[in-house]
Amino acid sequence: GQNIDQPTEMTATEGAIVQINCTYQTSGFNGLFWYQQHAGEAPTFLSYNVLDGLEEKGRFSSFLSRSKGYSYLLLKELQMKDSASYLCAVRSLGTDKLIFGTGTRLQVFP
Amino acid sequence: NAGVTQTPKFRVLKTGQSMTLLCAQDMNHEYMYWYRQDPGMGLRLIHYSVGEGTTAKGEVPDGYNVSRLKKQNFLLGLESAAPSQTSVYFCASSYRRGLAGLGDNEQFFGPGTRLTVL
Repeated sequence: GQNIDQPTEMTATEGAIVQINCTYQTSGFNGLFWYQQHAGEAPTFLSYNVLDGLEEKGRFSSFLSRSKGYSYLLLKELQMKDSASYLCAVRSLGTDKLIFGTGTRLQVFP
Repeated sequence: NAGVTQTPKFRVLKTGQSMTLLCAQDMNHEYMYWYRQDPGMGLRLIHYSVGEGTTAKGEVPDGYNVSRLKKQNFLLGLESAAPSQTSVYFCASSYRRGLAGLGDNEQFFGPGTRLTVL
């Protein structure tokens, strides 16, 4: 089976850096995705990792360690608009289905 | 391009009624998915399709049926709605992954349908 864990809620201050962790267990790994979802809206794609290491996209970076079943999303120079839920999702080998974690709700305060 | 669209946006049903949710995409994507999202449960896959005329079950398929008669449309049906099907339903679509199977075929989501079953 598959299991994905991420913290339920986090808070941070505008301008700061926040790291959102995701741990997973899967029978065969074929990629990890991060999505952002603002309240009442659809999820939007942020990043994808399939090999170990860091992927950087502007203020957002995502890291993967396949041996540890671990990923994190790093958000720098936080802005109020970054207040949203961040969803970690894992794709298993041989399938195009994603299994989503329950999401981490991030609140950014001035 | 409109991307992924869903109709209706909101719907209230009584227990036992039936309805169909429509998803349409104009990106020529091969793959389409239906999810439901409930508080504390995250997104859960109901059914998906890897091409026109094909469908497959996801994590929570019971009580739902789907059809993909045209590549751009994916329909989700509830034959006899139950209060447990009160949820927000999201449709998504994506390209087929590359031959190497490592492509980041991200899923594009529609705006969602908020369904309440009384």
